[in-house]
Amino acid sequence: DSGVTQTPKHLITATGQRVTLRCSPRSGDLSVYWYQQSLDQGLQFLIQYYNGEERAKGNILERFSAQQFPDLHSELNLSSLELGDSALYFCASSPGPTQIKPQHFGDGTRLSIL
Amino acid sequence: EDQVTQSPEALRLQEGESSSLNCSYTVSGLRGLFWYRQDPGKGPEFLFTLYSAGEEKEKERLKATLTKKESFLHITAPKPEDSATYLCAVQADGGYNKLIFGAGTRLAVHP
Repeated sequence: DSGVTQTPKHLITATGQRVTLRCSPRSGDLSVYWYQQSLDQGLQFLIQYYNGEERAKGNILERFSAQQFPDLHSELNLSSLELGDSALYFCASSPGPTQIKPQHFGDGTRLSIL
Repeated sequence: EDQVTQSPEALRLQEGESSSLNCSYTVSGLRGLFWYRQDPGKGPEFLFTLYSAGEEKEKERLKATLTKKESFLHITAPKPEDSATYLCAVQADGGYNKLIFGAGTRLAVHP
């Protein structure tokens, strides 16, 4: 058990809809990262938050947004969903913003767009 | 552009048959290289961090090594429970903490 909790485990929805994925980091970790894993792209970095502030952005679509709350949990919001957004979405956490420490991953949310 | 390439894509071993997985990387400056194991339906599980060429880390039947251009994950006398996808990732200078992942090696160990 990595200590990172993601909910829900599975999400099935339709094109054009909006969903919210939730992540609780490991106790003591202030940085949260979101990654997308699809069959053809592998694991791709989306965005990083540290103590409530956005720190780094990857190839995150404008239809996607995230935030980190005062209790350090994070949410990833995906809107105007398209078939191509079907993927596994992982959250990871680490202690600080720039330390070279391993990131620990949750078990992901599997998003299926019908 | 920072890039990570893993080979082979898939590897089938008999129990006890040792082998190595390769991770080659091209980055502007390496801050750290990470190995993860991923089981079906699960998130990546951290195995090792390597920081500089010449460094080695060991855990049970796994040993990770690092050179200036690549890393190897050596699996000695594997067991069926070692079957998983092994992912290599790097953190590069100027990339903050984001991890750049390779596509992984799917390892199957048969009794």
